[in-house]
Amino acid sequence: DTAVSQTPKYLVTQMGNDKSIKCEQNLGHDTMYWYKQDSKKFLKIMFSYNNKELIINETVPNRFSPKSPDKAHLNLHINSLELGDSAVYFCASSLGQVTTNEKLFFGSGTQLSVL
Amino acid sequence: QKEVEQNSGPLSVPEGAIASLNCTYSDRGSQSFFWYRQYSGKSPELIMFIYSNGDKEDGRFTAQLNKASQYVSLLIRDSQPSDSATYLCAVKGGSNYKLTFGKGTLLTVNP
Repeated sequence: DTAVSQTPKYLVTQMGNDKSIKCEQNLGHDTMYWYKQDSKKFLKIMFSYNNKELIINETVPNRFSPKSPDKAHLNLHINSLELGDSAVYFCASSLGQVTTNEKLFFGSGTQLSVL
Repeated sequence: QKEVEQNSGPLSVPEGAIASLNCTYSDRGSQSFFWYRQYSGKSPELIMFIYSNGDKEDGRFTAQLNKASQYVSLLIRDSQPSDSATYLCAVKGGSNYKLTFGKGTLLTVNP
């Protein structure tokens, strides 16, 4: 029943490792996002895909690579993890491209801890 | 210059009082404005949006927008302990599809 589901919920890993976070939405939405929320609660957009096409690509290290196999899925792969990558990563979706009153539906978040 | 700024918290109000949360934004072409609530350890959830100047009321919540002053606020009347959360202001830019969030204001409602 979960509208936007992401896995895993917790991810603890060593510096230098490569990891992936998966996200799926069953709302029939066209647009999906990855947001990063740091320890100070600042929620910052990383990427957005509309119907499998990349439409927002913020200034993010190229160690982060999103992949959208279809419009219901948006995964995030991170290479060579660094301490500063520790944060909560939220997947979100919206019906379209955040028009006037578009609502974002968030997943429950993935708490990434890099040791 | 920060794109979306919120009044620094934390904000503490007694139960039953009015909580006032403020937000300013830098992009004059911004079209729509959102308030999200985030409980500790949970994901943000939309509580209100507004895109016309003036007030918009929904139950105990009132959003106020003044585009000339580039200012948006959220008033919570009859505050309840269950309103204790971080409130995130989000602004949709005028020239792209990006939704930019402020850093949030932590609200605590004391019984």
